[in-house]
Amino acid sequence: DVKVTQSSRYLVKRTGEKVFLECVQDMDHENMFWYRQDPGLGLRLIYFSYDVKMKEKGDIPEGYSVSREKKERFSLILESASTNQTSMYLCASSPRGAGSSYNEQFFGPGTRLTVL
Amino acid sequence: AQSVTQLDSQVPVFEEAPVELRCNYSSSVSVYLFWYVQYPNQGLQLLLKYLSGSTLVESINGFEAEFNKSQTSFHLRKPSVHISDTAEYFCAVNTGFQKLVFGTGTRLLVSP
Repeated sequence: DVKVTQSSRYLVKRTGEKVFLECVQDMDHENMFWYRQDPGLGLRLIYFSYDVKMKEKGDIPEGYSVSREKKERFSLILESASTNQTSMYLCASSPRGAGSSYNEQFFGPGTRLTVL
Repeated sequence: AQSVTQLDSQVPVFEEAPVELRCNYSSSVSVYLFWYVQYPNQGLQLLLKYLSGSTLVESINGFEAEFNKSQTSFHLRKPSVHISDTAEYFCAVNTGFQKLVFGTGTRLLVSP
């Protein structure tokens, strides 16, 4: 089974802190994604990576950056956390290649981040 | 740009009753459509997907969805729900470039 793990289930940080959210997948997937989930807004894509060291902005990249130094690991960085970044963060991965437009995305359990 | 609309934010239903969760999409190109389910305190899991071929697709736990191109809909149905179906359900459409656009979700609340 595909497994996507996230470093923390719950995280509490203070305004202005630098925050790292880690995601690891074990199925050799090329694509990895970071979403934030907020009530009434569904999932919104923050950043996307289709290969090591490659990244692409999603719909709401402001205030975030990402790092993909190894294929299995995709990190989301909040350079200076703010209260409006309190949210559920979900990581996902999917394979690339033929038929990639309809490949399933596999999700981690999520990290609930609270910024005080 | 593709978009997905889930008009119902919450659907309450009694156990063993039928349910329909509505999803409409907008796209000018061929689409691939997905339903994901999120149980409490968990990530999302794929429930079913439409890629091509038969417009009716089924999941292993009794859900089905029908792709209707003329109405640009992909509604999710189950003839008889269980308490364990209580969850949030997300409809999604591919945008190409290997990305998905998600709807805002519908919370299904099944009571005894």
